[in-house]
Amino acid sequence: DAKTTQPNSMESNEEEPVHLPCNHSTISGTDYIHWYRQLPSQGPEYVIHGLTSNVNNRMASLAIAEDRKSSTLILHRATLRDAAVYYCILSTGTYKYIFGTGTRLKVLA
Amino acid sequence: DAGVIQSPRHEVTEMGQEVTLRCKPISGHNSLFWYRQTMMRGLELLIYFNNNVPIDDSGMPEDRFSAKMPNASFSTLKIQPSEPRDSAVYFCASSLKEGRYNEQFFGPGTRLTVL
Repeated sequence: DAKTTQPNSMESNEEEPVHLPCNHSTISGTDYIHWYRQLPSQGPEYVIHGLTSNVNNRMASLAIAEDRKSSTLILHRATLRDAAVYYCILSTGTYKYIFGTGTRLKVLA
Repeated sequence: DAGVIQSPRHEVTEMGQEVTLRCKPISGHNSLFWYRQTMMRGLELLIYFNNNVPIDDSGMPEDRFSAKMPNASFSTLKIQPSEPRDSAVYFCASSLKEGRYNEQFFGPGTRLTVL
């Protein structure tokens, strides 16, 4: 199964942009890239997903490298509520998510 | 919509006892997933149902674990007999339809402690 590599932790100041990187060098041509986050004591929640093109939604932006071997989740203005573990996931097959260890984001006031 | 509902939120039991975790998916969703989360292994998919039928149970750790989905609005995950190493947070998630781009909605989880 294709896997992802993320830094264990990152810090950001409140109100500043955050760039969370993810490497997925073994991605296949049909794998979607998903980002979920898990706030403390909650279940994971969807953030964004993409295939080849950059994507934007109300929560974040997803920048996908041209060769698709890496991607970056961008939070435009981090708030204290964005402190969470962020998972970069490749969907292999039609339903299976392989969760890695994720990046623990700490937002400093 | 209330989202995915799981019960109980916390369960403490003794080794050897039967444990039943319950899940109500979001109405209209036809895919349901059970995950387990531990510090050592992270989030793991245990079993996946589509239209109430188990499609992939390769993640179920042992025969002590079983899952059912008798109808579109209810699923159970049963552990019998339970062991201390089953202590974890168990999440149920549902999705509108099968597909690699379909968002999974997770419930709040059940924290299971087996003494």
